[in-house]
Parts: sequence; structure tokens; C-alpha cells
Amino acid sequence: GDSVTQMEGPVTLSEEAFLTINCTYTATGYPSLFWYVQYPGEGLQLLLKATKADDKGSNKGFEATYRKETTSFHLEKGSVQVSDSAVYFCALTNNAGNMLTFGGGTRLMVKP
Amino acid sequence: GAGVSQSPRYKVAKRGQDVALRCDPISGHVSLFWYQQALGQGPEFLTYFQNEAQLDKSGLPSDRFFAERPEGSVSTLKIQRTQKEDSAVYLCASSLGHLSGNTIYFGEGSWLTVV
Repeated sequence: GDSVTQMEGPVTLSEEAFLTINCTYTATGYPSLFWYVQYPGEGLQLLLKATKADDKGSNKGFEATYRKETTSFHLEKGSVQVSDSAVYFCALTNNAGNMLTFGGGTRLMVKP
Repeated sequence: GAGVSQSPRYKVAKRGQDVALRCDPISGHVSLFWYQQALGQGPEFLTYFQNEAQLDKSGLPSDRFFAERPEGSVSTLKIQRTQKEDSAVYLCASSLGHLSGNTIYFGEGSWLTVV
């Protein structure tokens, strides 16, 4: 079945550092790929998405590119802020679009 | 409404008690999903509705779990005879339709603790 693998956290960075959170996937067909963010005490929020190969999703300074050849969707940000501290989840939907499969999540801690 | 609304936000249940968790999806959203998120884990799929039809319930962990959406809007997830291992956050989500790429929006979750 479909699966998503993320780098384990926590990832601890200083403010303004460069961020990469790795995500790889296994899926049949052509899934859509997502990054969701969960701030402390809050629900999951969609951060960005990409629906086909080579698409780049971007939002709030975060970017991720759908790489079919490496089955990856790594999350990057050039300069993190303390307010980016959260848990980040990589996810994909199946071809029917009726089920999200999540990775285990990566906790990011940004120190001032 | 503006977003997916879930209630109660927090529930403490004694082992063996029945609980019911409610979800109000975004108005007009056809698809509705329930997920279970254990502490420190990613959400795991439980069940999926398209309008009032429950099209997939493969993720429900046992027959103690039951979900319904009788009028194609509000949904209820019921857990009978709760056990400690049922302690988790139960997330409801909705989307406009069933096409791949449709954004799925999540509620804040119902935090269930079974003691």
C-alpha cells in the first residue's frame, strides 16, 4: 500500500537557519503530495501541495518540489523563524483522492 | 461554517464507557473523513463518507467503532466500551469532492483520554 517516510525529529535550528525536512513516498499511480503543519494545541493546517510531477508548492516562505524520479517531496525554507516551531507532516492522497496517508511527522524547534 | 468544527474538544471517559464525537464539516463539502492520531504519531485513516454513504471503513480498528453521516452533513464517530488504547486525538476532515488534489481541511480534533 501507499506509505510516506519522513526524517525523524526533533530538528532544532537557530533563527534564520536553512531548513530541510526530507520526505519520500511509495505509491501506485500519480498521487498528490502535501505538507501539513500542526502548531502546538492546534489542528492540522495545509501548508502547501503539488498535484503532479515537477510541480512546486509554496507558501509562507516554505517550498517543496514533487520529484517523481526520486519519489520525494522535501520541505525547505531559507530562513526559519521562532514562529515556525511546529510539527510538520508529509502526506499523499491516492488516485481516487479519498484518503490521505501521512508520514510520522517531524517536530521543528527554532531557537532565538 | 468557516471551518471544520468538532466537539467536544476534550473528553475524559472511564474504561467501558461509550463516547460520541461530533463533526460539522465545511458547508457544501461532499467528502468527510475521520482520522485517529496517537500521541507523537501521524494521523491514521479511519473512515470516509461521500455525502451520506460510507464508502470506506477499512481503518476502523474494531467493531466498537462506528461512524455515521445520516443526512450527508454532520457526522458522529461513536466508540463503544472504550479501552485505554482508544486514547488519541480524533480528527475530522472534509473536502469539496472526491477528486485527487482537492484540499482536505481538518478540524482541531477531539482529544479523548480513557482512564
